[in-house]
Amino acid sequence: DIQMTQSPSSLSASVGDRVTITCRASQSISRSLNWYQQKPGKAPKLLIYGASSLQSGVPSRFSGSGSGTDFTLTISSLQPEDFATYYCQQSYSLPLTFGGGTKVEIK
Amino acid sequence: QVQLQQSGPGLVKPSQTLSLTCAISGDSVSGNSVAWNWIRQSPSRGLEWLGRTYYRSKWYNDYAVSVKSRITLNPDTSKNQFSLQLNSVTPEDTAVYYCARSGGTSGVDYWGQGTLVTVSS
Repeated sequence: DIQMTQSPSSLSASVGDRVTITCRASQSISRSLNWYQQKPGKAPKLLIYGASSLQSGVPSRFSGSGSGTDFTLTISSLQPEDFATYYCQQSYSLPLTFGGGTKVEIK
Repeated sequence: QVQLQQSGPGLVKPSQTLSLTCAISGDSVSGNSVAWNWIRQSPSRGLEWLGRTYYRSKWYNDYAVSVKSRITLNPDTSKNQFSLQLNSVTPEDTAVYYCARSGGTSGVDYWGQGTLVTVSS
């Protein structure tokens, strides 16, 4: 199985801050990397697919980059509604696997 | 707009079978560019993919090795839904279970509302 490792596991930030979350795959996954946002009691929501493609309806302050084993999710200017947990997920091979999550909290 | 509506019991006794159903609207369970997945989430195991069913001229199922001996996914074209059966459950199967749609490399783009299933006597 491909292991997905996210860092940090949590961070504190203020509204307006630029936030970066990283995800590393245990082997090359080309650009088959997706990012999700999850709020308490809700299902994950797809933000970015194919490493850098913005899902329809997702604000442009979210962006993704990377290929191979190293990937980044960036929020350019953190908004109040962005406080949530973020997950990466690889769709390169089965089983689909997810990172452990990064909780973004209010500073 | 695709919507997934889950149904099924929230409490299952140990050694019994967990059964959940996911009703699809806005898409077809027989769609030839998508797959229909079950994913669960627990504090101890995080987000864990369990399996998927999809149609490409015939039906295919893929299952996670961790549950392969206990899991069955069944599509129901007459009701446009698919189901999960997980046999011989233990307390470790306690989790929130989600049904979800995926399409190739485009990620898991639609999710059900989630069902908390507790395994307890």
